[in-house]
Amino acid sequence: DSGVTQTPKHLITATGQRVTLRCSPRSGDLSVYWYQQSLDQGLQFLIQYYNGEERAKGNILERFSAQQFPDLHSELNLSSLELGDSALYFCASSGMSGIPNTGELFFGEGSRLTVL
Amino acid sequence: AQSVAQPEDQVNVAEGNPLTVKCTYSVSGNPYLFWYVQYPNRGLQFLLKYITGDNLVKGSYGFEAEFNKSQTSFHLKKPSALVSDSALYFCAVRDDDSNYQLIWGAGTKLIIKP
Repeated sequence: DSGVTQTPKHLITATGQRVTLRCSPRSGDLSVYWYQQSLDQGLQFLIQYYNGEERAKGNILERFSAQQFPDLHSELNLSSLELGDSALYFCASSGMSGIPNTGELFFGEGSRLTVL
Repeated sequence: AQSVAQPEDQVNVAEGNPLTVKCTYSVSGNPYLFWYVQYPNRGLQFLLKYITGDNLVKGSYGFEAEFNKSQTSFHLKKPSALVSDSALYFCAVRDDDSNYQLIWGAGTKLIIKP
């Protein structure tokens, strides 16, 4: 058990809809990362938050947004969903220092999104 | 820009035999290299990392990785494979030009046959 909790584990929705994925990091971790894993594109970094502030942005679409709340949990909002958004979305957290990234990330078990 | 490559989509090994999962990298400075494992229907788990020091790094579950600067490689190894080692393995390098994010390889599926 990594200590990172993601909900929901599975989500099925229709094109055009909006969903919210939630992540609770390990106790004490200030950094939260969101990743998308799909069969054809591997593991793609979306965005990182550190102590409530956006720290780094990767290949995140404009239809997607995220935030980290004062209690350090994070939410990833996906809107105007398309078939190609079907993927596993992982949240990861890391320790108290946001920079430099020592690379030891603790991953949740993911939220599997299916867009029909 | 930093990059990492895993040249094999899949590696098949018989149980009890040694295993190697290959990774090569390209960085502009000193490399920070990592291996992660993903078991079916699970999140990724950190295995080991190289930052500096000994070229042979020991990690979880009996795995080790050998850093080779001249060949820009960071291959994952285990002396004797177990069926339970069957999983997806990811190599990653830290990108110091991109806010220290990890650049991930495409992953190698390791299949250990009894």
